[in-house]
Amino acid sequence: GQNIDQPTEMTATEGAIVQINCTYQTSGFNGLFWYQQHAGEAPTFLSYNVLDGLEEKGRFSSFLSRSKGYSYLLLKELQMKDSASYLCAVMDSNYQLIWGAGTKLIIKP
Amino acid sequence: IAGITQAPTSQILAAGRRMTLRCTQDMRHNAMYWYRQDLGLGLRLIHYSNTAGTTGKGEVPDGYSVSRANTDDFPLTLASAVPSQTSVYFCASSDSPGNTDTQYFGPGTRLTVL
Repeated sequence: GQNIDQPTEMTATEGAIVQINCTYQTSGFNGLFWYQQHAGEAPTFLSYNVLDGLEEKGRFSSFLSRSKGYSYLLLKELQMKDSASYLCAVMDSNYQLIWGAGTKLIIKP
Repeated sequence: IAGITQAPTSQILAAGRRMTLRCTQDMRHNAMYWYRQDLGLGLRLIHYSNTAGTTGKGEVPDGYSVSRANTDDFPLTLASAVPSQTSVYFCASSDSPGNTDTQYFGPGTRLTVL
């Protein structure tokens, strides 16, 4: 079967760095997405990786290792507004997104 | 502002009733999707449409139907609602099916079936 695993909840301090991990087992791979979802709102796109390596976009970076079925989202200089759920999703061989349950990130002052 | 709208925002429904959730996008995207989101589970695909006039079944299609008469609208119908259909429903769209285009989401409909 297809499976996406990510931690349920993480806590970090304002100004610090946090890494959210995602491991996956899917039928085929056409890229991995990270989305941010604030409570009661819609998911919004953060990043897309299809090749191994690190993609940096401002305070957010995303890493992919296809051989290990592993990705992480790195958030630097954490701000209170970064408190949200972070969703990992893999596009399978049918170009359908398979979603993890999300990681709720709590930022403390 | 371009985007996706959904209606209603929230709804409480008696079991056995019929309900249609509306979704409209103005980005002229070809592909549209319906997901449900439940606590502790990832988003699950209910139905999708790669282009106007075509629809397909996702991971959890039972109890739901969709139609795609034109590019902009993609309504989701619950023919006879059951309590297990209590969920938050998100509509999404992407420019082209069958590739890695980003999906954009509507604000969601919170549905409670009693």
